[in-house]
Amino acid sequence: QKEVEQNSGPLSVPEGAIASLNCTYSDRGSQSFFWYRQYSGKSPELIMSIYSNGDKEDGRFTAQLNKASQYVSLLIRDSQPSDSATYLCAVRSPGNEKLTFGTGTRLTIIP
Amino acid sequence: NAGVTQTPKFRILKIGQSMTLQCTQDMNHNYMYWYRQDPGMGLKLIYYSVGAGITDKGEVPNGYNVSRSTTEDFPLRLELAAPSQTSVYFCASSKEVSYFGPGTRLLVL
Repeated sequence: QKEVEQNSGPLSVPEGAIASLNCTYSDRGSQSFFWYRQYSGKSPELIMSIYSNGDKEDGRFTAQLNKASQYVSLLIRDSQPSDSATYLCAVRSPGNEKLTFGTGTRLTIIP
Repeated sequence: NAGVTQTPKFRILKIGQSMTLQCTQDMNHNYMYWYRQDPGMGLKLIYYSVGAGITDKGEVPNGYNVSRSTTEDFPLRLELAAPSQTSVYFCASSKEVSYFGPGTRLLVL
């Protein structure tokens, strides 16, 4: 079982709709969770971090964490063509200096 | 702050040649990382460092070496380039959140 799993996509969403990206992780002790966005040919950039169960909102982005289900998601409201990118889920366990990444979900927003 | 900088941006190597990929950060982060990303794939950790003088292997260290003599710099050395090392290399630094450099695109022919 991979440590961090994401559907590779591609996920196609109409402009203006909600895009939902999902991630599961295997280490039950994980405590830090991150979503990165990566445009083609560019480096990953952080868009959200979440550490506690529940929802965390930042503009059009909402991260959701459920530690009991070992599940973290990212919702993008009012999707824009500029949201088209690969979204990487990353997880860190306490005392672990390394960030474990999923393989990413490629999102395409259709105008 | 410049953040994390990497040089060069792009390089073509012949098989068997050596090179050093440079990485510098100005955020005073103790943790630094080297990843490689093959086309359409995720990030694979090559080496990482938790502070000056301390380095450790990631999941794909073979064919690479690193050093960390200062907090700011974390160079990655390829001794005998092979076609399998054709990839995009990202350096990152972290306190809690990881910040990435712009990447070095390496082609080994």
